Amino acid sequence: DIVLTQSPGTLSLSPGERATLSCRASQSVRTNYLAWFQQKPGQTPRLLIYDASRRASDIPDRFSGSGSGTDFTLTISRLEPEDFAVYYCQQYGTSWTFGQGTKVEIK
Amino acid sequence: QVQFVQSGAEVKKPGASVKVSCKASGYTFTNHAIHWVRQAPGQSLEWMGWINPDNGETKYSQKFQGKVTISRDTPASTAYMELSSLRSEDAANYYCATSFYDNRGYYTYWGQGTLVTVSS
Repeated sequence: DIVLTQSPGTLSLSPGERATLSCRASQSVRTNYLAWFQQKPGQTPRLLIYDASRRASDIPDRFSGSGSGTDFTLTISRLEPEDFAVYYCQQYGTSWTFGQGTKVEIK
Repeated sequence: QVQFVQSGAEVKKPGASVKVSCKASGYTFTNHAIHWVRQAPGQSLEWMGWINPDNGETKYSQKFQGKVTISRDTPASTAYMELSSLRSEDAANYYCATSFYDNRGYYTYWGQGTLVTVSS
């Protein structure tokens, strides 16, 4: 199974600041089939980014994804109050795997 | 619209088994794999395995090999996940999900989750 390692574990930021989240794979992700999800307490995960850099339907353009191979990044350009949540990367090129998550909390 | 409705919460004793159902609607059931994902309280998402509803082929995460069995009833558009030899560490929310591309992009759909409690 491909292992995804996310960093940092927790990101403490203020609204309006930029958030940069990292996801590293133990082997190359096939065809850059890498997604990012946002999850809030009591909710199912919400798809933000797929194919490493494509925004999912109805996702604001302050969310962007980049990277290829084994190193991927999710950037939130200016944090809004509703963006404070846990973020997971997922690879879907070889079955599925999830990272352990990054919590973005209010500083 | 694509929808998954899962069976209700379960309370099981250690050593028992649990079987969770996931009824699909809004798309052709045999067209897309169904995955099972679990999430223990306060923990991350863990992929358990998937099933191809068309031919019944399954693949499991190494961690859950021998512990989980995924099956389907095609006429009923329903997938099942059975977890055996339950331990306290198996207490979690269990989700079914699917994802696929269409001409508008890529989408992921989740069931509402089934909470499994393991307690003597």
